[in-house]
Amino acid sequence: QVTLRESGPALVKPTQTLTLTCTFSGFSLSTSGMCVSWVRQPPGKALEWLALIDWDDDKYYSTSLKTRLTISKDTSKNQVVLTMTNMDPVDTATYYCARSQGGNHIDYWGQGTLVTVSS
Amino acid sequence: EIVLTQSPGTLSLSPGERATLSCRASQSVSSSYLAWYQQKPGQAPRLLIYGASSRVTGIPDRFSGSGSGTDFTLTISRLEPEDFAVYYCQQYGSSYSFGQGTKLEIK
Repeated sequence: QVTLRESGPALVKPTQTLTLTCTFSGFSLSTSGMCVSWVRQPPGKALEWLALIDWDDDKYYSTSLKTRLTISKDTSKNQVVLTMTNMDPVDTATYYCARSQGGNHIDYWGQGTLVTVSS
Repeated sequence: EIVLTQSPGTLSLSPGERATLSCRASQSVSSSYLAWYQQKPGQAPRLLIYGASSRVTGIPDRFSGSGSGTDFTLTISRLEPEDFAVYYCQQYGSSYSFGQGTKLEIK
């Protein structure tokens, strides 16, 4: 059974760095083809893909946000970490981590965590 | 970057009717690497269709996907009350990107 769960602060101040952790079970990121992405969704708005890391430690980022994002993995802990620098109120959103295989469609999603950016 | 444009933004229909949702890409989506997701309020998206037309196991056969290149369609043949939600298309042929969504509401 594949599960993913996001954790991190619910509130961050403008200009701060956000660090989110995705803890997953039911698969291993050391298995060939496995990938974990981060996707966000501002309240009432559309989904936005942010970043992906694969089993081979290759990393891919949204073109518009790549200067602010870093994705990493700890295979032994079954965790993926996303950092986003210089947070702004427009970054207020629910942040999801999600699994895909071979860089294909997302087949499993976490429940999401709401991050509010406010002073 | 491939931009996906979904239409209409909102679709108002009654249970039992047929729904046709469109997703148009700014450039060709390689190998029909296009998926459709359903999202209900307060929930994570749920995968319905991948590879443009392959239905996920457990998804009712009233849901079908079609298309290739730059034009894709999600069809719900006979709407059930639980189908009213927001639907997103996603391409994964060149990085990832999502459409802006179509809200399917009860008329």
